[in-house]
Amino acid sequence: QVQLVQSGAEVKKPGASVKVSCKASGYTFTGYVMHWVRQAPGQRLEWMGWINAGNGNTKYSQKFQGRVTITRDTSASTAYMELSSLRSEDTAVYYCARAGDSIVYLLLWGQGTVVTVSS
Amino acid sequence: DIQMTQSPSSLSASVGDRVTITCRASQAISNYLAWFQQKPGKAPRSLIYAASSLQSGVPSKFSGSGSGTDFTLTISSLQPEDFATYYCQQYYSYPLTFGGGTKVEIK
Repeated sequence: QVQLVQSGAEVKKPGASVKVSCKASGYTFTGYVMHWVRQAPGQRLEWMGWINAGNGNTKYSQKFQGRVTITRDTSASTAYMELSSLRSEDTAVYYCARAGDSIVYLLLWGQGTVVTVSS
Repeated sequence: DIQMTQSPSSLSASVGDRVTITCRASQAISNYLAWFQQKPGKAPRSLIYAASSLQSGVPSKFSGSGSGTDFTLTISSLQPEDFATYYCQQYYSYPLTFGGGTKVEIK
């Protein structure tokens, strides 16, 4: 079936980087946009950006511009989100979410990856 | 950025109740609005897109309405599996933004 499986929890120190993966199965990976969204404890969901898995084009939220990089490996049907210069406020659950027919509609979500930033 | 405001932030209801959640956008977004359900420790689940279109596989007890700035999500007869947090999200313009959520609890 169609699913997104994300990598496991991470603990990072302030200033470090984290790279989260999202492996897709059950559909043509290159046919859809993949978004990344995060949810800090007690906070609302926050959109970070997307990648067109077909051509590799990306779009990022201005809030994360310069700190986030979204990439994909088509041979592995996997998307990646790397966040650099981590600070405690980046402690959150990070989700990948595949778009639907509209590139901005978040149809199918991964299970989430907990990233904890702590000294 | 477009601000999305949900009300109430939480509500208590009984099984069988009809529940309505409101979402207001800080500017007109046409019908570019989605609703999600999230249970504790789980990923969000897509319920409704384009303000009123039911996602495939979602039961018809869920319905959405609205256009412009004011939107509603209605659950016609609340069941035990519907106790969760519900979020609205606009996809009219970047950055995509979400409401603060409405937690539906058992009375």
